[in-house]
Amino acid sequence: GIQVEQSPPDLILQEGANSTLRCNFSDSVNNLQWFHQNPWGQLINLFYIPSGTKQNGRLSATTVATERYSLLYISSSQTTDSGVYFCAVTGTASKLTFGTGTRLQVTL
Amino acid sequence: NAGVTQTPKFQVLKTGQSMTLQCAQDMNHEYMSWYRQDPGMGLRLIHYSVGAGITDQGEVPNGYNVSRSTTEDFPLRLLSAAPSQTSVYFCASSTIGMGEKLFFGSGTQLSVL
Repeated sequence: GIQVEQSPPDLILQEGANSTLRCNFSDSVNNLQWFHQNPWGQLINLFYIPSGTKQNGRLSATTVATERYSLLYISSSQTTDSGVYFCAVTGTASKLTFGTGTRLQVTL
Repeated sequence: NAGVTQTPKFQVLKTGQSMTLQCAQDMNHEYMSWYRQDPGMGLRLIHYSVGAGITDQGEVPNGYNVSRSTTEDFPLRLLSAAPSQTSVYFCASSTIGMGEKLFFGSGTQLSVL
């Protein structure tokens, strides 16, 4: 199956800093999504982005499908951005494979 | 809208007991799935369904059973609980086709003693 690697595994930022999270995948995909898991365990879908660029407020994501990677940008980070960010992909319908995540801590 | 609803939120079982985790969605999604989340391993797919009457195995199906008799409900059954099944379980649903963002329930924390 498809392998999904995320980097860095852990990240500590001061409030207001910017960051880039990376997701590499081992094969062609037709579905790529980014999720945020908050400290209470809730999983929220941030982006559905199998290719191209999307923006939502301070967050944006870019997927370069031909080079098999996706980037999640967080600008002007806030303490509420803390948690774990997951990338998930699928090469065939319905079997979404998750990476092991990037744990982000934003401090005051 | 309630979205994806999971019950219970917490459960403690003894080894060998059976139980059912409930999952319901009110978004008329064709696709439903169950994941387990263990420390350092991300989320792993247990079983999934692309519609009523259709189920298939994911990455870690052993020890679990599912059925999909309606579009709304997708229960997960633990047949004989083992300590290795201690985990957090998430149910998720989506449409099928272009733009199928996955929506998660709030999770069930299960401990098997």
